[in-house]
Amino acid sequence: DAKTTQPNSMESNEEEPVHLPCNHSTISGTDYIHWYRQLPSQGPEYVIHGLTSNVNNRMASLAIAEDRKSSTLILHRATLRDAAVYYCILRVNYGGSQGNLIFGKGTKLSVKP
Amino acid sequence: NAGVMQNPRHLVRRRGQEARLRCSPMKGHSHVYWYRQLPEEGLKFMVYLQKENIIDESGMPKERFSAEFPKEGPSILRIQQVVRGDSAAYFCASSAGVVENEQFFGPGTRLTVL
Repeated sequence: DAKTTQPNSMESNEEEPVHLPCNHSTISGTDYIHWYRQLPSQGPEYVIHGLTSNVNNRMASLAIAEDRKSSTLILHRATLRDAAVYYCILRVNYGGSQGNLIFGKGTKLSVKP
Repeated sequence: NAGVMQNPRHLVRRRGQEARLRCSPMKGHSHVYWYRQLPEEGLKFMVYLQKENIIDESGMPKERFSAEFPKEGPSILRIQQVVRGDSAAYFCASSAGVVENEQFFGPGTRLTVL
């Protein structure tokens, strides 16, 4: 899978928006952009994914650059429960059997009350 | 719909013993993935299985580790003759398909080798 680059850590204040960036300059045309997060002592949790267009769901929004070489996960109002490691992952669309996720180091988000 | 279940949640083994980790995927999911997370590190893919078949085991150590997903029952990750370096959190995930489908993760099994 193509590589992604994220800041090691970010801080946010509670109730404020958070923008988590991800660079993926080697992305190919059929790679999906997925975001997962891992809360302390828990398994990863799916957040959102997209291909070309911006996406919204109940947890977050995903803004994808026009050239698809970067994306931003947006948490509209951070809460203390959003403190986690956030992973940006590219999933290759082989149309076949390759389905595993390749996790990088992610961004550790701290939320201050 | 129950989520992905893993048991045991915590497992302690002495060096040389065997560890068996179980994973029950979400109902209707036929794709199972195992990942390992060493202390203070990210998750690493180990193996991807569909019912009765190993699809990709490129992340699995060549010796002592094996995985299966039988027609009936949970997926099993088996570690023979455990060593201290096997101490980690082992996560199982399941999905309904590939690529676009999200993976649902279990709570993990934390293996400690004494």
